[in-house]
Amino acid sequence: ETGVTQTPRHLVMGMTNKKSLKCEQHLGHNAMYWYKQSAKKPLELMFVYNFKEQTENNSVPSRFSPECPNSSHLFLHLHTLQPEDSALYLCASSQMQGLSGNTIYFGEGSWLTVV
Amino acid sequence: DAKTTQPTSMDCAEGRAANLPCNHSTISGNEYVYWYRQIHSQGPQYIIHGLKNNETNEMASLIITEDRKSSTLILPHATLRDTAVYYCIVSSPSRTDKLIFGTGTRLQVFP
Repeated sequence: ETGVTQTPRHLVMGMTNKKSLKCEQHLGHNAMYWYKQSAKKPLELMFVYNFKEQTENNSVPSRFSPECPNSSHLFLHLHTLQPEDSALYLCASSQMQGLSGNTIYFGEGSWLTVV
Repeated sequence: DAKTTQPTSMDCAEGRAANLPCNHSTISGNEYVYWYRQIHSQGPQYIIHGLKNNETNEMASLIITEDRKSSTLILPHATLRDTAVYYCIVSSPSRTDKLIFGTGTRLQVFP
């Protein structure tokens, strides 16, 4: 139990579907992140939110739409995805972005398969 | 961020100490050394991090050489549940979210 909870753990969706991934952190942190981990590729940072404000979008296609209603919750809305978007999507949190010695805590991840 | 070099794989007997080395010869003065591990199909788990001094927590110890060009993660009493891929990461203090995981060391703990 890392204090970062992701749901669902597994999701299969068609290319025309709309679905959302949910993340909740119970650590009192102020920064939340979405990462993508594909097979045989290094971890990719997608989005960063610091105190509910988006501070980074790492050139992510618009078919991925993040939402951060408060510092404890983060969503990733998915629509018209492609099969190559199939991957492990990881949510993470930290005390705040840019803090020296900051530690990132990850959730268990959501396995997404696009068919 | 500095590049790290780790052995591809290591074995360790259950109950013995697992010592995982990492070379980071190009590390800058303000860069931290982080260790994470990832068990198959799960998210990375934070283990420990340090700047200059040796660090210890409930999971592991981190030994950083005086010149900071290498470090060793020590799991004092390895269990079967410690079987995972261990990543040594060097990160600038302002961008610890930009974690470059590399290939890591696959630690196999055997009975």
